[in-house]
Amino acid sequence: KQEVTQIPAALSVPEGENLVLNCSFTDSAIYNLQWFRQDPGKGLTSLLLIQSSQREQTSGRLNASLDKSSGRSTLYIAASQPGDSATYLCAVTSRDDKIIFGKGTRLHILP
Amino acid sequence: GAGVSQSPSNKVTEKGKDVELRCDPISGHTALYWYRQSLGQGLEFLIYFQGNSAPDKSGLPSDRFSAERTGGSVSTLTIQRTQQEDSAVYLCASSLQPPGQRYGYTFGSGTRLTVV
Repeated sequence: KQEVTQIPAALSVPEGENLVLNCSFTDSAIYNLQWFRQDPGKGLTSLLLIQSSQREQTSGRLNASLDKSSGRSTLYIAASQPGDSATYLCAVTSRDDKIIFGKGTRLHILP
Repeated sequence: GAGVSQSPSNKVTEKGKDVELRCDPISGHTALYWYRQSLGQGLEFLIYFQGNSAPDKSGLPSDRFSAERTGGSVSTLTIQRTQQEDSAVYLCASSLQPPGQRYGYTFGSGTRLTVV
């Protein structure tokens, strides 16, 4: 059974710092891995999608990496801003077509 | 539509009543998913549709929960005889093709259900 773990559960950093969010999964037989952002009371916004054959994806200040063999992904946020404060969720699409989510990392950027 | 639309955005219901939650996926998206997010918890998979059929209903928590999809488009999640533990945000997602291998998923804003 696929399990997705995100560490840390919560993180506070001063504005301007670079930071890394971690995601690990137990079954490497995945189609893809997706990072989402969720603001309080809102739905999920897709940030980056990494196919199983890819190693990383970049969008603006965000960079996501995938090491399928070790079951790990990282989301790197450069030059953090207060607007980056949100919950970040990692999700893998397993070979049985299910999307399994981690419980997220609550990020707070201190002005 | 431009995005995944869910209605209502908020629903307060009395314990024991039935509720219907609606999801209107992006036009042309064949795969549709329902998830539940309880306070302080992660997202819990409920059901997945490919077209109008549901190959995976394994996440439905009890027989009080059912879902259907008609015309390969709109889906309705029905909860009968609601209980307080059903209170959660119900999220719907759609994908261009199963299982979102290339395109990932687009989520709606969710329906916040409160059972009192």
